[in-house]
Amino acid sequence: NAGVTQTPKFQVLKTGQSMTLQCAQDMNHEYMSWYRQDPGMGLRLIHYSVGAGITDQGEVPNGYNVSRSTTEDFPLRLLSAAPSQTSVYFCASSPSGVETEAFFGQGTRLTVV
Amino acid sequence: AQSVTQLDSQVPVFEEAPVELRCNYSSSVSVYLFWYVQYPNQGLQLLLKYLSGSTLVKGINGFEAEFNKSQTSFHLRKPSVHISDTAEYFCAVSKNQGGKLIFGQGTELSVKP
Repeated sequence: NAGVTQTPKFQVLKTGQSMTLQCAQDMNHEYMSWYRQDPGMGLRLIHYSVGAGITDQGEVPNGYNVSRSTTEDFPLRLLSAAPSQTSVYFCASSPSGVETEAFFGQGTRLTVV
Repeated sequence: AQSVTQLDSQVPVFEEAPVELRCNYSSSVSVYLFWYVQYPNQGLQLLLKYLSGSTLVKGINGFEAEFNKSQTSFHLRKPSVHISDTAEYFCAVSKNQGGKLIFGQGTELSVKP
């Protein structure tokens, strides 16, 4: 039972570089989302998907792109990394329904220098 | 707009003492309320959730929370804490889509022997 798997666990980027954070879930959940966690700010929603082919912006979408071609995968792309994107990134999935809980991956710690 | 405020950023407590972690929310509509726990270098794990019905909700590891609609609060309590409860705790609300959560800033619970 893998649940939500994020890769890589750690990453250091130089300013201006691009990269993709991978997220995969094996629970057949319809909803998937990306959050970033910064000290004293809790988790903030970056992008969100309610199913394959459907994505929406969250609270802090600038500098990030997403796509959802399959139910299982929801990659997060940084097109041109900036030091302000240094953070811990969490992917989450949940079944459809307003009251359902979110299941989180272990996180990716990203440092942009 | 919804928001969540966790009133204490850090709560130090001695082992076997009771603890309360405070959470207030603002919303003009009914919401669903959650408490998540994050152990060091891990993802978030659901402690408990309030959907409807009884205002006292019991969760895992001996935690419970009480929903108070008039005070728009959802405080988390445990009558006797253990060293292993040392972690960061997040209060969150969801309005209309499962997994699309708004988080508070987090409370670091530090249990000392």
